[in-house]
Parts: sequence; structure tokens; C-alpha cells
Amino acid sequence: AQKITQTQPGMFVQEKEAVTLDCTYDTSDQSYGLFWYKQPSSGEMIFLIYQGSYDEQNATEGRYSLNFQKARKSANLVISASQLGDSAMYFCAMREGARGYQKVTFGIGTKLQVIP
Amino acid sequence: DGGITQSPKYLFRKEGQNVTLSCEQNLNHDAMYWYRQDPGQGLRLIYYSQIVNDFQKGDIAEGYSVSREKKESFPLTVTSAQKNPTAFYLCASSIDRTLPGELFFGEGSRLTVL
Repeated sequence: AQKITQTQPGMFVQEKEAVTLDCTYDTSDQSYGLFWYKQPSSGEMIFLIYQGSYDEQNATEGRYSLNFQKARKSANLVISASQLGDSAMYFCAMREGARGYQKVTFGIGTKLQVIP
Repeated sequence: DGGITQSPKYLFRKEGQNVTLSCEQNLNHDAMYWYRQDPGQGLRLIYYSQIVNDFQKGDIAEGYSVSREKKESFPLTVTSAQKNPTAFYLCASSIDRTLPGELFFGEGSRLTVL
């Protein structure tokens, strides 16, 4: 089974609108972490936001928020007020495993294109 | 400045040759990772290491080898046993402290087999 599932290969959003990128995960660990990364065409990976499995409130970082629904095992990224510079690949990732043997698994990504 | 340095940025090799990709970090991070990225497949974990002299296979370790003799260095060797080595390779590190698991990435190495 896939550890991280991103079902939207590509998304379009109008500039200044909000967009939600979907991510579901699968783990039997009680303690885990969820991340979103942005990869522009230049190839660099940019960390956006983190949510711990024990965090009760959804994480927010500026225009990014993570809609964490633990029972559904989903960790959707919401980008508010989209900008042209938001056009990029977006990857959901999960850290799991006990301290000392943690590994981070990525989804296949969603390509977001912001339309002027 | 602290960061992760990967070299070379671009590499060409002939079939049947081994090649080693360098990854050095000066962030004092304990954990280091190698990922392979192919179009439409996202990032797949090749190997990871939590401490010096110890490393674990990831999801696609066949045809690759690593070493972790120093905390700062985690080189990846792509051997001739790797059937389809042309890809973009990303090295990353993380510190298991304030934000456990957050990965810091290098700029990547693009390997092309001729």
C-alpha cells in the first residue's frame, strides 16, 4: 500500500483564489509527522509546513495551512490568495518510525499552475 | 553559510560504469537521506542514515551503495547493477530536535547514462 497518496496530478487555480491540494497517508505508528514541500522548476525543495500527529490544532504558516483530519488520515494543504510564484510541484511527505530509525516518505506530487 | 552541498550537479556516464555522487553537510545534522526523482514518480527513498557508520535501505536500494564514515558526508554510488540510473538525485539531512524529520535538501545531481 502507498504510504502517501496524492491523487491530483495537476491543478489549476486563478490568481488570488484559494486552492486545496489533497494528501492521504497510511501508517500504524502513533507518533508521526506530516510535511509539505514545494519544488519550483529550478529543482530545489522548499519546506512549507509541518503537522505532528499529536498536534490538536491545524498548522499554519503565512498563506499555507494544513487541514489535518487524523481519523481520515488526510493532511491537505490549503494555499490562500494564490500568487503566480506558487506555480510549482507540491509534495506531501510523512516521517514515521521510532527515534533513531525515522524515515521520510514522499507522495508523487501535484503540479499546481496559477493562472493570471 | 550552513547547508548541503551536492556534487557534481550534472554527470554523464557510460553503461557499465560505477559513479559516486557526493553529499556534504555542515549543519551538524545526524540523519542523512538519498532520494531519486523521476518524472511522475515523485521522490523515492534509496538509503538513509541516522548515525555515523549505520545506514538503512530505503524503498529502491538495489543497484546503489552508500557509506557514512563521517557525520558530514554521505556519498552515494550508483553501480552498474542499477538498470535505469538516469534520474535526478537529491540528498537531504535532518536533525531530530525541534522539528523532528524536517528535511533540508541539496540542489540535486542529475545523472544521465549514455
